[in-house]
Amino acid sequence: AQKITQTQPGMFVQEKEAVTLDCTYDTSDQSYGLFWYKQPSSGEMIFLIYQGSYDEQNATEGRYSLNFQKARKSANLVISASQLGDSAMYFCARKKAAGNKLTFGGGTRVLVKP
Amino acid sequence: DAGVTQSPTHLIKTRGQQVTLRCSPKSGHDTVSWYQQALGQGPQFIFQYYEEEERQRGNFPDRFSGHQFPNYSSELNVNALLLGDSALYLCASSLQAGGWNSYNEQFFGPGTRLTVL
Repeated sequence: AQKITQTQPGMFVQEKEAVTLDCTYDTSDQSYGLFWYKQPSSGEMIFLIYQGSYDEQNATEGRYSLNFQKARKSANLVISASQLGDSAMYFCARKKAAGNKLTFGGGTRVLVKP
Repeated sequence: DAGVTQSPTHLIKTRGQQVTLRCSPKSGHDTVSWYQQALGQGPQFIFQYYEEEERQRGNFPDRFSGHQFPNYSSELNVNALLLGDSALYLCASSLQAGGWNSYNEQFFGPGTRLTVL
């Protein structure tokens, strides 16, 4: 199986500081997409950011940016200026070019301290 | 514009029983995917429905079945429930997308938390 690995089970971050969440993936495909989702305690998965495998620039969405290193098969999420509301589980996911199936990593729990 | 809705919110069943979970996709979406998320883990893909047919399936036994209706809503059925079926079941809707590098965001519902006793 082609795995998604998130090596940090949990992280503390001080409010207003930046935090980087690691994600590595295993794939033999050339075309794929990478997603990051946030899951608060309510359970709903909230889309944060997307990176296509052929995108030349790293994706950014407001305070979220994706550090995409294709050769290393890594897609780390950077959250800048952390807010208390950022406390949640964060999941990295990969999608093949065809089809809609998402393969998720095990997640990283982020706790923002005031 | 309503997002993805799921019912019920919570459900308690006993081993051996059958359960049906329901999902209404976001307006305009035609594809529904179901995921199982055990406690402390990432979601696992169960299957996906498009045009009322199962299009993709993950590594789940035949006890897990589904249906999609003409209005694009979907049901997930689980027969002969096991304790290990206790999980959060997430429904995601999207549009069928083409192209070799298509971006296709999936919108998730709030989930149904199933407890099997």
